Amino acid sequence: DIMMTQSPLSVAVTPGESASISCRSSKSLLHSNGITYLSWYLQRPEKSPQLLIYQISNLASGVSDRFSGSGSGTDFTLKISKVETEDVGIYYCVQFLEVPYTFGAGTKLELK
Amino acid sequence: EVKLQQSGDELVRPGASVKMSCKASGYTFTDYAMHWVKQSPGQGLEWIGTIIPLIDTTSYNQKFKGKATLTADKSSNTAYMELSRLTSEDSAVYYCAREGSEYYFDYWGQGVMVTVSS
Repeated sequence: DIMMTQSPLSVAVTPGESASISCRSSKSLLHSNGITYLSWYLQRPEKSPQLLIYQISNLASGVSDRFSGSGSGTDFTLKISKVETEDVGIYYCVQFLEVPYTFGAGTKLELK
Repeated sequence: EVKLQQSGDELVRPGASVKMSCKASGYTFTDYAMHWVKQSPGQGLEWIGTIIPLIDTTSYNQKFKGKATLTADKSSNTAYMELSRLTSEDSAVYYCAREGSEYYFDYWGQGVMVTVSS
């Protein structure tokens, strides 16, 4: 199985500041078709996860442009600019290159 | 509006089975695969498997083979997951999630909490 490693496990951010979350996969997520199947999700407290970004950097419909994704191969980053109260929750990266699809352990974002 | 409405929380005895549902609305049910994800208490997320309703094809995480059975009813736009021979390790929240057009989960149900206890 592809292992997904996130860091840090938790981060405390002052509202209005930026935050970055790293995700590393144990195998390149680049498919032979040229697409990299890495997406990011936010799970707010007591809520279901929601899609933020797919294929490294594509913003999901309705998601704030304060969220951005970057990376390639095995190393990926989610950046949240101008953090707001509604950004609090756990962020997960997920690989869809091969089954079983696997999730990172999650990064908990809190406000200072 | 796309919506995935899951059935209610369950309290079940060890050794029993439970079957939960995920009713889809707001889109053509057979156009998208449906996935199931497990979230154990205080833990992260695990992919259980997927079903393609159009052709009733399933794919499972090896870890959940023999534990989970995925089915779909095209007439009612509903996906089902049955968990068998339940133990305390199966106590968790289970989500259904629709697969978007290019391999990602774009919509999620609200989750079903399964508690296995005597």
